[in-house]
Amino acid sequence: GESVGLHLPTLSVQEGDNSIINCAYSNSASDYFIWYKQESGKGPQFIIDIRSNMDKRQGQRVTVLLNKTVKHLSLQIAATQPGDSAVYFCAENMRPEAGKSTFGDGTTLTVKP
Amino acid sequence: DAGVIQSPRHEVTEMGQEVTLRCKPISGHNSLFWYRQTMMRGLELLIYFNNNVPIDDSGMPEDRFSAKMPNASFSTLKIQPSEPRDSAVYFCASSFDRDEKLFFGSGTQLSVL
Repeated sequence: GESVGLHLPTLSVQEGDNSIINCAYSNSASDYFIWYKQESGKGPQFIIDIRSNMDKRQGQRVTVLLNKTVKHLSLQIAATQPGDSAVYFCAENMRPEAGKSTFGDGTTLTVKP
Repeated sequence: DAGVIQSPRHEVTEMGQEVTLRCKPISGHNSLFWYRQTMMRGLELLIYFNNNVPIDDSGMPEDRFSAKMPNASFSTLKIQPSEPRDSAVYFCASSFDRDEKLFFGSGTQLSVL
């Protein structure tokens, strides 16, 4: 399943399928990007990050892709599990205040068993 | 590590009352951030500190809001007087440096009646 930017804030997939969550960031000068996962009643939790000198980075079951030309970021989750159900936020940062993150609106991922 | 600790977890108060939210960042982190989350506006940065010094408070809604960081292990966000529109979840986050990912606390759910 795939979401399209921040205009479709929900994504529903079957357990075991791959998920793709998209994000269009706003500032072409942003040079550090982070994906966070927020479960109900909790604070956002770091998933994976990528710097602007890279276009792909892989973690455990997750991959982030960065396309600076079109200011687009995506998070791919392989073999989606029920525990992946949450709201996913992309955040963009710009040095020297790179910790001052600007968050996207978030995409709600629902995994159906 | 215990992570970022926020208190109280929930706060219910009446309009006009003073509210104080508390945060203990992760030991060794030198940047601290206060965010507010609402359905309408998403995650908004209110203020952030670096080495206990306020760096950017441009996100603080108005003079009713104030934040302090008297030492590296404690910060407060105060609202006086509180108003119903202040109802939100307030998150504190810390990072190792300004150029790093954020670690969020569990948040304080504030309801102003």
